[in-house]
Amino acid sequence: ETGVTQSPTHLIKTRGQQVTLRCSSQSGHNTVSWYQQALGQGPQFIFQYYREEENGRGNFPPRFSGLQFPNYSSELNVNALELDDSALYLCASSSMGEQYFGPGTRLTVT
Amino acid sequence: AQSVTQLGSHVSVSEGALVLLRCNYSSSVPPYLFWYVQYPNQGLQLLLKYTTGATLVKGINGFEAEFKKSETSFHLTKPSAHMSDAAEYFCAVTPRGRGSTLGRLYFGRGTQLTVWP
Repeated sequence: ETGVTQSPTHLIKTRGQQVTLRCSSQSGHNTVSWYQQALGQGPQFIFQYYREEENGRGNFPPRFSGLQFPNYSSELNVNALELDDSALYLCASSSMGEQYFGPGTRLTVT
Repeated sequence: AQSVTQLGSHVSVSEGALVLLRCNYSSSVPPYLFWYVQYPNQGLQLLLKYTTGATLVKGINGFEAEFKKSETSFHLTKPSAHMSDAAEYFCAVTPRGRGSTLGRLYFGRGTQLTVWP
């Protein structure tokens, strides 16, 4: 059984640019959640997608947006990048509540 | 809103010593409770969870945690630390009941465990 995968592993962007992060969910999992983990902090919930619809959102501005595809993979898009967006972005897929995390994408904004 | 407090951002123990990592939650209805471990440059791995039933929960790698409703706590312990236990540990909760985003996790700030030889 394939676990949760994320791409890319690392990314460096300039302030003001846009970025797209990708997540492939574990086989059979129809729910994907995204979390932001700033350095020295616990992960913070960004939003969740269930069967291609947004199903809850944390305290993040609209420039954070997402998408879920029919195969349940997902994208996280961030527009107008700010320095504070530098973080580890974690994707988690779930089927019956328990979440399985991917290795994360490390985003650095300069 | 859910709140999770992990007392002590850094804990250091000697190899073979008891590990105790503290976690308290702040909700009147006990949530689902989790402990995750994160090794450097990796994602989160579930150590153990409490949903219902026996309040002492055993997890992987010899860790266990006890849910104490009266203390709103879910402390993580391991009788004998190993060098390989050095990592960051996160306590997390998910509210019970309808209306909650499916399995949304609220995390504490984490505790970095150092194990000395």
